[in-house]
Amino acid sequence: DSGVTQTPKHLITATGQRVTLRCSPRSGDLSVYWYQQSLDQGLQFLIQYYNGEERAKGNILERFSAQQFPDLHSELNLSSLELGDSALYFCASSVDGEDTEAFFGQGTRLTVV
Amino acid sequence: GENVEQHPSTLSVQEGDSAVIKCTYSDSASNYFPWYKQELGKGPQLIIDIRSNVGEKKDQRIAVTLNKTAKHFSLHITETQPEDSAVYFCAASNYGQNFVFGPGTRLSVLP
Repeated sequence: DSGVTQTPKHLITATGQRVTLRCSPRSGDLSVYWYQQSLDQGLQFLIQYYNGEERAKGNILERFSAQQFPDLHSELNLSSLELGDSALYFCASSVDGEDTEAFFGQGTRLTVV
Repeated sequence: GENVEQHPSTLSVQEGDSAVIKCTYSDSASNYFPWYKQELGKGPQLIIDIRSNVGEKKDQRIAVTLNKTAKHFSLHITETQPEDSAVYFCAASNYGQNFVFGPGTRLSVLP
């Protein structure tokens, strides 16, 4: 168990809908990362937060947004969902987001039908 | 931006043999290189990492080497066991920002 908690574990929704994925980082970790892993695809970096502020942005679609709250949990919002958004979404956390280990949660499997 | 290549994409070895997975990166500013193991239905698990001021690091049956000049790093697993079967990902990052992952290597250890 990495100590990173993601909810829900599974999510099935229809095209055009909006969903929110939640991540609780390990105790003491200030930085949160979000990744997307499609079938047979590698891990695509979406966005990183550090202590509530956005630190780095990757290939995140405009339909997607994220934030990190004062209690350091983070949410990834996916809107106007398309079939191609079906994937595993992982959250990872690290102590300071600089040159330190990042630990992954178990992921949320999103299926868009 | 950073680009990480990883080879081979699949690797089959006999139990007890060694396995080597190689990665190359493009951004000379990258200074942290972790390796993750992902089993079916689970999140990636950090197994070993190396920083740019170190050339080699070992942890029991697992070792990682880094050649900064050539911009490549490798994972070595000795005395492989069936439970080593998984997908392995290398990654590179610059001070913990924007970890860029390789495409992964599916390792199968045959009994």
